[in-house]
Amino acid sequence: SQQGEEDPQALSIQEGENATMNCSYKTSINNLQWYRQNSGRGLVHLILIRSNEREKHSGRLRVTLDTSKKSSSLLITASRAADTASYFCATIPLKGGGFKTIFGAGTRLFVKA
Amino acid sequence: ETGVTQTPRHLVMGMTNKKSLKCEQHLGHNAMYWYKQSAKKPLELMFVYNFKEQTENNSVPSRFSPECPNSSHLFLHLHTLQPEDSALYLCASSQDLLRGDRGYGYTFGSGTRLTVV
Repeated sequence: SQQGEEDPQALSIQEGENATMNCSYKTSINNLQWYRQNSGRGLVHLILIRSNEREKHSGRLRVTLDTSKKSSSLLITASRAADTASYFCATIPLKGGGFKTIFGAGTRLFVKA
Repeated sequence: ETGVTQTPRHLVMGMTNKKSLKCEQHLGHNAMYWYKQSAKKPLELMFVYNFKEQTENNSVPSRFSPECPNSSHLFLHLHTLQPEDSALYLCASSQDLLRGDRGYGYTFGSGTRLTVV
C-alpha cells in the first residue's frame, strides 16, 4: 500500500448521516492534512492536524490522528448533498522536507438527497 | 476562485502539437508546483519551484518542460505527448516549501483537463 492510503475508496450515504473516511500511512509524519476535490476541480485544503495532536474540529469536520497506528480519520457530521466530492489525505514525512507531501488516491463520497 | 488561476481549463492536442499550460497566483506565495492527476491514482508531483528556482523534478519525461519566470507565474510546456499523458494537471502554490512545522497547506488551481489524441 502507499503512503496516505484512504479507505474506503467510495462511500454512498443519505443526507443527514455521518460519513467517516480513514487514511493510513507508513512513515513517521510531521503533520497530516485533508483535502476535498469537487469533480474535475482543484483540491481545497480542509484541515491540518499535527503529529502531537490527537483530535481537531472545524465546523462539521472532525479529524483524529493515531500516530501509534499510523492512521487518521475524517468524520463529516450531518452530511449534505453539497459534501459530495473526493476526499484526500496528504502526509508530510518527518524526513525529506515539505515538498515531499504525499497524497493518497482519495475516497469518493456521494451524499444522496 | 482560490487565488490560483489555471488556463486553459480544457485542452485537446495531437501528439505532434506543442502547447503550454499557464498558472498564475497573486497570493504572495513563493513556492509553486505542478501535479498530475490521473483517474483513480494518487496525485503525482511533477515539479517544484521555490523563489523561481526549480527544486524538484520528479523524474518527469522531457516532453514536459516547466518554466517559472517569476514567483507569480508558472508554465508547463508540452510537446510530442502520448495518449497516456491525458490527465488533469493541477497547479498549486504555498507560502514557501511546505515544511512540516508550518503546514499552511497548498492552494490549488482548478486544473487543466488535457486530452492527447
